[in-house]
Amino acid sequence: DIQMTQSPSSLSASVGDRVTITCRASQSISTYLSWYQQTPGKAPKLLIYAATSLLSGVPSRFSGTGSGTDFSLSISSLHPDDRATYYCQQSFNSPFTFGPGTRVDF
Amino acid sequence: QVQLQESGPGLVKPSETLSLTCTVSRSSITSFFWGWIRQPPGKGLEWVGHGFYSGTTSYNPSLKSRVTISIDTSKNQTSLQLTSVTAADTAVYYCAKVIKSASYYILDSWGQGILVTVSS
Repeated sequence: DIQMTQSPSSLSASVGDRVTITCRASQSISTYLSWYQQTPGKAPKLLIYAATSLLSGVPSRFSGTGSGTDFSLSISSLHPDDRATYYCQQSFNSPFTFGPGTRVDF
Repeated sequence: QVQLQESGPGLVKPSETLSLTCTVSRSSITSFFWGWIRQPPGKGLEWVGHGFYSGTTSYNPSLKSRVTISIDTSKNQTSLQLTSVTAADTAVYYCAKVIKSASYYILDSWGQGILVTVSS
């Protein structure tokens, strides 16, 4: 299985801050990477797919970069609604593994 | 916008079979792949598997011998069966619509999830 790691595991920031979360794959996955946001008690929501493509309707403050093994999710100006756990997920090889998550708090 | 709703028993006894159904609304079940993902309480996400109405399926090898995903086109539903459950199978189970595009598999819509507890 392809192992996904994320850093940091948690972070505390302020409204308006720029935040960056990194995700690393144990082998090259090209751009077969998605990012999901999960708020407490809710199902995950897709934010970004194919490493850099923003899902329609997702605020433009979210962006994704990377290819191969190293990826990042950035939030340009943190909004109160962004308090959540963020997961990366690869779909290069089955099983489509997830990272352990990064919790963003204020 | 597609809607997904999981249903099934919230409590299953050890060694028995977990059976869940996901009813899909506002989309034909034949148009996409359908996946199941689970999340133990307080932990991260685990891909269980996915399937297509044609019978094509793919399962997580860690569960492969115990899991079956099926599609019922007459009811617009996908189902998950997990046999010989233990406490380690206690989790919130989500179904999700899977868009397959140029070899990308993208979970673009999720159900609200259902908590299944394995306990005697």
